[in-house]
Amino acid sequence: GNSVTQMEGPVTLSEEAFLTINCTYTATGYPSLFWYVQYPGEGLQLLLKATKADDKGSNKGFEATYRKETTSFHLEKGSVQVSDSAVYFCALSETANYGGATNKLIFGTGTLLAVQP
Amino acid sequence: NAGVTQTPKFQVLKTGQSMTLQCAQDMNHEYMSWYRQDPGMGLRLIHYSVGAGITDQGEVPNGYNVSRSTTEDFPLRLLSAAPSQTSVYFCASSSIQLPGVWRSSGYTFGSGTRLTVV
Repeated sequence: GNSVTQMEGPVTLSEEAFLTINCTYTATGYPSLFWYVQYPGEGLQLLLKATKADDKGSNKGFEATYRKETTSFHLEKGSVQVSDSAVYFCALSETANYGGATNKLIFGTGTLLAVQP
Repeated sequence: NAGVTQTPKFQVLKTGQSMTLQCAQDMNHEYMSWYRQDPGMGLRLIHYSVGAGITDQGEVPNGYNVSRSTTEDFPLRLLSAAPSQTSVYFCASSSIQLPGVWRSSGYTFGSGTRLTVV
């Protein structure tokens, strides 16, 4: 079945450090890939997405490239801030039997990022 | 502001009590779903709906009921609360995925309901 595997956290970084959160997936077809962010006490917000191979999603200094050859969608940011402290979820869209995406998203377990001043 | 509204934000129940978690969206989304979030387990799908009058089970449906009488509302009912249902519950919605279309728009989430069953 489809699945998403994220690196275990917590990830603890100093401000202005480089961030990578690994995400790999197993899926049939051509899923869309997403990163969601959850700030403390809040719901999940879409951070970025990519809908086909080699697409790069970007937002707020974060980037992730859809790599079909390595089935990966790693999240990166060049210089993290304290305000980036949150839980980050990688997700993919499930594939329908008749082709195309379904409405179902499969989520990873989340990675807690803690940025220290 | 447009979006997904969940109520209440916090709730404490005694074992055996019943309650309804409310979810409403004003984006005319056909698809709505309920997830629970537990430490170390990410998000698990409870129930979902592809339109008014149509619901289906997700990964962890036991102990929960849903109905969808309107496009806007998708309440989640706990029939007889148990401590194992202590969790944070999220409602999410999206436009319906068209057959054969690979591009997915993703979800809009509500801010969650933190439920404690004692």
